[in-house]
Amino acid sequence: QVQLQESGPGLVRPSGTLSLACTVSGASVISTNSWSWVRQTPGKGLEWIGEINHSGTTNYNPSLKSRVTMSVDTSKNQFFLTLASVTAADTAVYYCARDRRRTAYFFDFWGQGTLVTVSS
Amino acid sequence: SYVLTQAPSVSVAPGQTARITCEGDDIETKSVHWYQQKSGQAPVLVVYDDSDRPSGIPERFSGSNSGNTATLIISRVEAGDEADYYCQVWGSSYYFVFGSGTKVTVL
Repeated sequence: QVQLQESGPGLVRPSGTLSLACTVSGASVISTNSWSWVRQTPGKGLEWIGEINHSGTTNYNPSLKSRVTMSVDTSKNQFFLTLASVTAADTAVYYCARDRRRTAYFFDFWGQGTLVTVSS
Repeated sequence: SYVLTQAPSVSVAPGQTARITCEGDDIETKSVHWYQQKSGQAPVLVVYDDSDRPSGIPERFSGSNSGNTATLIISRVEAGDEADYYCQVWGSSYYFVFGSGTKVTVL
């Protein structure tokens, strides 16, 4: 069974940088899949942040692209998210997920999510 | 970008059928996926590619897609089906887009 687990600070100061890791078990980040980050603001819906594959190729949500960086560590079977210049609007539950494709792409496995609060 | 519109809420009695809609321009040309999110939990894929079910998802969950509306259908609704449901599509120019979500309340 594929499992994903997010980790990182739960509190980030305004204008600081949010950094999260996703540890994958039961599957390898060195696979044909890509790996995504999705966030959910309190009481609101889901927003895709971006994705990365094993070779480090990335695609980002245009609305966040200027502030987002993703990377992967194949030796640790992990991938990472950094979001720069955060504000209170970036307070959210952050999920990592695996991309899968049949006819089109969807997310077949998700982490449990981690709440990140932006506050001084 | 592509916009998906969902009704905010749907109420259904136990044993009845819930229909959750997802509207988008010419959505029938796209593959629609559905997620269930119970309170405090991560989303779970319940239908992919309009009408296919992942292993472990009950046959009570089904889907359809025609015209400008995709529909998630939950037959013989149970109390445990109470959750938020999100539709999602993928496109090469905008990648992943989610609907705003529908809260299903079991009366």
